[in-house]
Amino acid sequence: DAGVTQSPTHLIKTRGQQVTLRCSPKSGHDTVSWYQQALGQGPQFIFQYYEEEERQRGNFPDRFSGHQFPNYSSELNVNALLLGDSALYLCASGGFRGYNSPLHFGNGTRLTVT
Amino acid sequence: AQSVTQLGSHVSVSEGALVLLRCNYSSSVPPYLFWYVQYPNQGLQLLLKYTTGATLVKGINGFEAEFKKSETSFHLTKPSAHMSDAAEYFCAVNHLLSAGGTSYGKLTFGQGTILTVHP
Repeated sequence: DAGVTQSPTHLIKTRGQQVTLRCSPKSGHDTVSWYQQALGQGPQFIFQYYEEEERQRGNFPDRFSGHQFPNYSSELNVNALLLGDSALYLCASGGFRGYNSPLHFGNGTRLTVT
Repeated sequence: AQSVTQLGSHVSVSEGALVLLRCNYSSSVPPYLFWYVQYPNQGLQLLLKYTTGATLVKGINGFEAEFKKSETSFHLTKPSAHMSDAAEYFCAVNHLLSAGGTSYGKLTFGQGTILTVHP
């Protein structure tokens, strides 16, 4: 049973560029959340997708956007990259029907902005 | 709004010694609480969770935590540390929101505690 998979594992971009990160949820899960973890910090909630709609959003600017596909996979897009966007981006999935079930995390995508 | 405070960004113990990692939370509604562990260059792995019921929760790798509502705490313990326990540990609270009968959740994490285990 495959867990949460994320791609790519590492990415280097230049300021002002755009980036797309991808996530496939754990089998049986239909909800995907994205988190940003800056170096030395705890993960910060970006947004959550369910039924192809953004359901909740954290305190992140509109430069951060996402999408969920019919197969429940998801993308995180960041436009106009800033140096401060350098972080580990974590995707997590959790089943809607087991709403009190814990989230399962992927290993993340390490984004470096130069 | 919820928040999580982890007391001590670094904890160092000897192998075989007691591990105690502290977590206090703030929540206006009954919380669901979690401890996650993160090894270098990896994602987060769930250690244990508290939702309802028994306040002493047992997790994987010999860890356990006790939910104390009166103290708003959820401290993580392990009786005897092992070298493989060296990692960063995160406490988190999950606040469920309702919209049209459907529930969603997001996690609010603490800043993390790095556990070092000495031989």
